[in-house]
Amino acid sequence: EIVLTQSPGTLSLSPGERATLSCRASQSVSSTYLAWYQQKPGQAPRLLIYGASSRATGIPDRFSGSGSGTDFTLTISRLEPEDFAVYYCQQYGNSPRTFGQGTKVEIK
Amino acid sequence: QVQLVQSGAEVKKPGASVRLSCKASGYTFTHYYMHWVRQAPGQGLEWMGIINPSGGSTSYAQKLQGRVTMTRDTSTTTVYMELSSLRSEDTAVYYCARAYNSNDAMDVWGKGTTVTVSS
Repeated sequence: EIVLTQSPGTLSLSPGERATLSCRASQSVSSTYLAWYQQKPGQAPRLLIYGASSRATGIPDRFSGSGSGTDFTLTISRLEPEDFAVYYCQQYGNSPRTFGQGTKVEIK
Repeated sequence: QVQLVQSGAEVKKPGASVRLSCKASGYTFTHYYMHWVRQAPGQGLEWMGIINPSGGSTSYAQKLQGRVTMTRDTSTTTVYMELSSLRSEDTAVYYCARAYNSNDAMDVWGKGTTVTVSS
């Protein structure tokens, strides 16, 4: 099973600041099979990024993904009020599909 | 529009079974796989398994093998997930989520069904 470790656990930032979230895999993950999701309280997750760097439909370009092998990054260039949420990475190339434990982006 | 509508909240006793439904609309049902993902209170996301609505083939998380069964009804474009021998640790919100291929990201999610297991 591929274990995904996200860091930091919590990121305290102000609106307008840049957020950098990390996802590290216990073994190499093909870039094709790495996704990022956003989840707000009481809501289902929403797909942001697939294939490590492709934005899903309707996702603003302030969200970007990068990385390869075992190290992946989600960057939010300028935080908007609606971006404060929990973010999960996921690999979907191997079974079982696995998620990271999440990074909470909170208002400072 | 594309929608996954899940069944309502359930309260079950330990040892019982629960069957949840996920009705798909707005797209060709058999062209997309369906995953089930659960989230215990205050915890992260846990993948449970996947079903191919076209042929009905399934793949389950090893930790749930023997307790989980996913089925589909193409006539009603509905996917079902049954979990048996429920225990308190199964208390969670259960989501269905579609993916174009078995190795694709989950692009549309249902709103979730809360299952509470309590004596």
